[in-house]
Amino acid sequence: AQRVTQPEKLLSVFKGAPVELKCNYSYSGSPELFWYVQYSRQRLQLLLRHISRESIKGFTADLNKGETSFHLKKPFAQEEDSAMYYCARSYNTDKLIFGTGTRLQVFP
Amino acid sequence: DVKVTQSSRYLVKRTGEKVFLECVQDMDHENMFWYRQDPGLGLRLIYFSYDVKMKEKGDIPEGYSVSREKKERFSLILESASTNQTSMYLCASSLLGDGYGYTFGSGTRLTVV
Repeated sequence: AQRVTQPEKLLSVFKGAPVELKCNYSYSGSPELFWYVQYSRQRLQLLLRHISRESIKGFTADLNKGETSFHLKKPFAQEEDSAMYYCARSYNTDKLIFGTGTRLQVFP
Repeated sequence: DVKVTQSSRYLVKRTGEKVFLECVQDMDHENMFWYRQDPGLGLRLIYFSYDVKMKEKGDIPEGYSVSREKKERFSLILESASTNQTSMYLCASSLLGDGYGYTFGSGTRLTVV
């Protein structure tokens, strides 16, 4: 079965510290990988996808096929980054499987 | 600016009731999805539809059914609500073929008592 693993339920850092949210996925074919974010009282929204190879709000994520990982990184965390983050991979046609999510808390 | 609308933000229903959760999107998307979101379990797919009157079971379809009579509307039906269906329900839509950039609704928090 396809699987996405986010080992940390909660990650707490201070403002200005580096952040890395871990994501590992089950290997099958050539999946697309995504990060979605849900800020407090807002709807879940797409943060970035690996095929775009872009940086959004200072976040980047590199697909490592050897380690089947897609960790989300930001060099200097901001308080407004506090949110729930979900990693997701594609499977079949147009479907995504999501990880269990990591709550990021950034303290002032 | 709202693109995926879920009719209720909060809903409280009694055990055994038939419950309808409505979702409407105005982006002309072919794909529509229903997920439930639970702490520690993430998002789990209940049902998926890629066209009018077409539906496909997700990972946890038991106790649920869906209806898609019009392209813009996708309804989730709890035939006989139970307490273990207390959850946050999220609707999403996406374009066929470019299907991974989901647009989510704001969610319906359902409590079954």
